[in-house]
Formats: sequence, structure tokens, C-alpha cells
Amino acid sequence: SQELEQSPQSLIVQEGKNLTINCTSSKTLYGLYWYKQKYGEGLIFLMMLQKGGEEKSHEKITAKLDEKKQQSSLHITASQPSHAGIYLCGASGWGNKLVFGAGTILRVKS
Amino acid sequence: NAGVTQTPKFQVLKTGQSMTLQCAQDMNHNSMYWYRQDPGMGLRLIYYSASEGTTDKGEVPNGYNVSRLNKREFSLRLESAAPSQTSVYFCASNQGESGYGYTFGSGTRLTVV
Repeated sequence: SQELEQSPQSLIVQEGKNLTINCTSSKTLYGLYWYKQKYGEGLIFLMMLQKGGEEKSHEKITAKLDEKKQQSSLHITASQPSHAGIYLCGASGWGNKLVFGAGTILRVKS
Repeated sequence: NAGVTQTPKFQVLKTGQSMTLQCAQDMNHNSMYWYRQDPGMGLRLIYYSASEGTTDKGEVPNGYNVSRLNKREFSLRLESAAPSQTSVYFCASNQGESGYGYTFGSGTRLTVV
């Protein structure tokens, strides 16, 4: 979707390193979702953010929605090979549908 | 297990053939969606159904038709398949209100030769 820009498009990190993926919107975000997809598989729901300034964590993954509600970041601490995959941000509230960014491919080198 | 079920998981079609992708959810969700996923383009919305009896076009509807058969089932039809429709197709459902989670099926990998 042109409404959601993800960066970077791909990322290779050494195991144990931290990393951040960004999702920037051209419009106010009312609901921001992060999903993970392993190669050749379906989407796994990670987190949903709705309020400006909201931050949620699950294991070593933390997502934030900025105060102005136009950008979200996903931060992984001490990356592991199990974190490898495609990370997608999705936005809802623009009509009754969920639109996605192009995704970020993450590879973790052991 | 509760969730979204898609069939088939894999399909190879010849150009011009037709087929229907099936999707069913057992979570009593109001809204259902069909997406396609292509390398470097994320998921793009093909059609969606906000509630039983309604369907609307998404971002890339050309070449597809949909049917919301009942609250549980939402099918996607390719009347005359083209190589450009080679993709992975995902069905999803949600309660229909902002803030509720979306559940995805495991996908259908379609190749048109």
C-alpha cells in the first residue's frame, strides 16, 4: 500500500544484535498491527497499537506508536535465528479494511 | 481449532482456466477479506466483505469475483486465469470494528502457466 511505507525493505543482522523496523503512514493511524510471516507460511499476529505513545512488548519484541500516530517502530532486542522472517505492518480505520506495508525481510546470521 | 481455513493450499492452472478459492471461518466474524501477496509488494487487498450480503472492491480487484455465501464463507473466483495472477492468496476475517484483531488463513499458492 502506498499509504504505509516500511523501512528498511530488508535487513541482515548478526545474531545477538538489536534492530528496528519502521512503518510510516501518510494518514493518521487509528489501529496499527504488526504481523510476522515465516517463509512460505501464513501471518502471525504480533501486536496491535491504538493510542498515541502506546508501547507493547512480547518477549524480545517491542512496538511503539508515536504521539502523532503516524509512525510505528518495531524493535527486536538480541536477535535470534527464530526472529527471521517477513515483518508486516498493517493499518485499520481507513474504511472497513486492513491495508499493509510492503514488508521487511529480516535475516539473522548465526 | 478455531480460525480461518483456506482450500486448496496449492494449485497450478493453465492460462484461461477458471477456479474458485474457498475460505471459511468459525469465529462468527462479520468481515472477511481476500489478499494477494507478491514479492516486494506486501499484501494487497483484492475484495472484502464487511458483512454477510455485502462485498466491495479493494486495491486490485480486476480479474476476480467474490461471493459471500453466508457469514462463514467467502470465496474468490478467477474466471480466466492469467500468469499475472500467479501469487499467494490469503483470506482473513475480523469482527469488523477497528481495534479488533484480524485472523489469517495459511494461504493458497497459485501458479498460472
